[in-house]
Amino acid sequence: RKEVEQDPGPFNVPEGATVAFNCTYSNSASQSFFWYRQDCRKEPKLLMSVYSSGNEDGRFTAQLNRASQYISLLIRDSKLSDSATYLCVVNLPEYGNKLVFGAGTILRVKS
Amino acid sequence: DVKVTQSSRYLVKRTGEKVFLECVQDMDHENMFWYRQDPGLGLRLIYFSYDVKMKEKGDIPEGYSVSREKKERFSLILESASTNQTSMYLCASREVTGHGANVLTFGAGSRLTVL
Repeated sequence: RKEVEQDPGPFNVPEGATVAFNCTYSNSASQSFFWYRQDCRKEPKLLMSVYSSGNEDGRFTAQLNRASQYISLLIRDSKLSDSATYLCVVNLPEYGNKLVFGAGTILRVKS
Repeated sequence: DVKVTQSSRYLVKRTGEKVFLECVQDMDHENMFWYRQDPGLGLRLIYFSYDVKMKEKGDIPEGYSVSREKKERFSLILESASTNQTSMYLCASREVTGHGANVLTFGAGSRLTVL
């Protein structure tokens, strides 16, 4: 089983739609969780950290479910500029806090 | 803002050539990383360094080496490039924040093609 798994998509949604991505992780000791965004031919950039109580940043909401070992990202009122690949990232505490990346979920927002 | 600079954005090399990829960060971070990114495989860790002159193997170190002589500079070396090392190479620097989060900042990437 991969350490971090994501649905590769692509998710094709119209502008204004709400879209959600899930990411599952295999290591129950993981403590830190993140969503990164990567535009085509660009480097990944931190979108948001995921806290155990869930957190929101504008149109973006991240949630953590420790019991089922998954994190989610919800995007409301999608914009064309949200089109990107979204990477789920999880730490491995017993391996020097190594960060493991999922392969990414592609989102395409269309007008 | 942290800036991570990779000196070469695009390189084309021949099989057997030695390749140096340079990475410099300007925020005095102790932790630095080299990843490669391939379609469908995501980012895979090649090597990392938690301090000057320190290096640790990541998940796919074969065919690579690194050098960390100065805190701000972390170099990736391909001793004898092969076609299966054609990839996007991403350098990252890590900030460990007060509440223990691990935030990576990436360079713009070096796209290497080995012919």
